Amino acid sequence: AQTVTQSQPEMSVQEAETVTLSCTYDTSENNYYLFWYKQPPSRQMILVIRQEAYKQQNATENRFSVNFQKAAKSFSLKISDSQLGDTAMYFCAFMKPISGAGSYQLTFGKGTKLSVIP
Amino acid sequence: DTEVTQTPKHLVMGMTNKKSLKCEQHMGHRAMYWYKQKAKKPPELMFVYSYEKLSINESVPSRFSPECPNSSLLNLHLHALQPEDSALYLCASSQGSQSSGNTIYFGEGSWLTVV
Repeated sequence: AQTVTQSQPEMSVQEAETVTLSCTYDTSENNYYLFWYKQPPSRQMILVIRQEAYKQQNATENRFSVNFQKAAKSFSLKISDSQLGDTAMYFCAFMKPISGAGSYQLTFGKGTKLSVIP
Repeated sequence: DTEVTQTPKHLVMGMTNKKSLKCEQHMGHRAMYWYKQKAKKPPELMFVYSYEKLSINESVPSRFSPECPNSSLLNLHLHALQPEDSALYLCASSQGSQSSGNTIYFGEGSWLTVV
């Protein structure tokens, strides 16, 4: 079974500053994906960034980037130039294929509540 | 904007009512999911449909009944619910083939209150 651990229940950052959210995971799988999802107060689950485990290069999406350390099973999210709209709950998630089913199993961490302060 | 559409956005129902939550996607995805999310908790998987067949039921009580009429639609039929079933219900979809770059996309959710 997979586990995903987010050790920071809450964090805050000043607007325009940079913040890093931590995530570690435990698995014996070789074929998997890692994600960060954002859930603002509206509660929609929004994809922030995706990383395929077989890719060594860290994923980047505009102000969002990850530091993927496969051997250490670590997957942190860096948000640069933080904006008020970044205020949300951030979930780290591990995804693996479900054998023979054509679908995926997604395991979430408990989340980090990020507040961006004006 | 999400390409997974859920209706209704909010639903209040009594414990003796029968209601349904609906989910639709037009991304050509062949796997669809129902998750339940309580306040301040991560989503929990309830059901997985793959190619219109139920592939996973995470020991969900029978008062929740999923249905997949076609590859674009997913319903969750609700009957004789309990107040503790009040939660956000999230529908999601993915390509359904184990190709690289696959992702699970979520709808906006349906807020359910059982009174």
